[in-house]
Amino acid sequence: EAGVAQSPRYKIIEKRQSVAFWCNPISGHATLYWYQQILGQGPKLLIQFQNNGVVDDSQLPKDRFSAERLKGVDSTLKIQPAKLEDSAVYLCASSYDRRNEQFFGPGTRLTVL
Amino acid sequence: GDSVTQMEGPVTLSEEAFLTINCTYTATGYPSLFWYVQYPGEGLQLLLKATKADDKGSNKGFEATYRKETTSFHLEKGSVQVSDSAVYFCALSDILGKGGKLIFGQGTELSVKP
Repeated sequence: EAGVAQSPRYKIIEKRQSVAFWCNPISGHATLYWYQQILGQGPKLLIQFQNNGVVDDSQLPKDRFSAERLKGVDSTLKIQPAKLEDSAVYLCASSYDRRNEQFFGPGTRLTVL
Repeated sequence: GDSVTQMEGPVTLSEEAFLTINCTYTATGYPSLFWYVQYPGEGLQLLLKATKADDKGSNKGFEATYRKETTSFHLEKGSVQVSDSAVYFCALSDILGKGGKLIFGQGTELSVKP
């Protein structure tokens, strides 16, 4: 069974630029999560989808971050404009539903200069 | 709000030493508790979990017991190997109340020397 796929694996941008990350969850998984992991800290949830609806986006900085999950499968997370403090690893995870184990992708490491 | 606190690292041990990584939590509901591991260059993997008080999770020689009275979920292993070198994260999820999101501690880096 294929795992959670993410791309790109690494991205370097300058502040005020925009960037997008892509996630393809495990086939059949209804719940998709985006976490932000700043160096030296544990991952923090940014947004949770159930199929193509948002369940929790309470910690998403909505003035600059946006995410969508069209058709309830792939998801894209966008940052516009990026700030220095957005430098982090962005993790995508999926689960069969919200009560089941979450499987994590390899992450995208973002560096904002 | 709900939170998880782990002992600070890095932790450096010799091979075959006993490992304990402390984890305590604060939660208003009835959370499930997890330990995740992140090996160098790899993604997060579930190591073990416990869903209710007094449950013991175990995997690959690691164990942790859900202690509601002390709000703790300490990770233990009797004899560590070099291959156990990784970052370990304690986490909770209040599946029924808050939809399944994981709340993580800050992570504890373990380095095992031969």
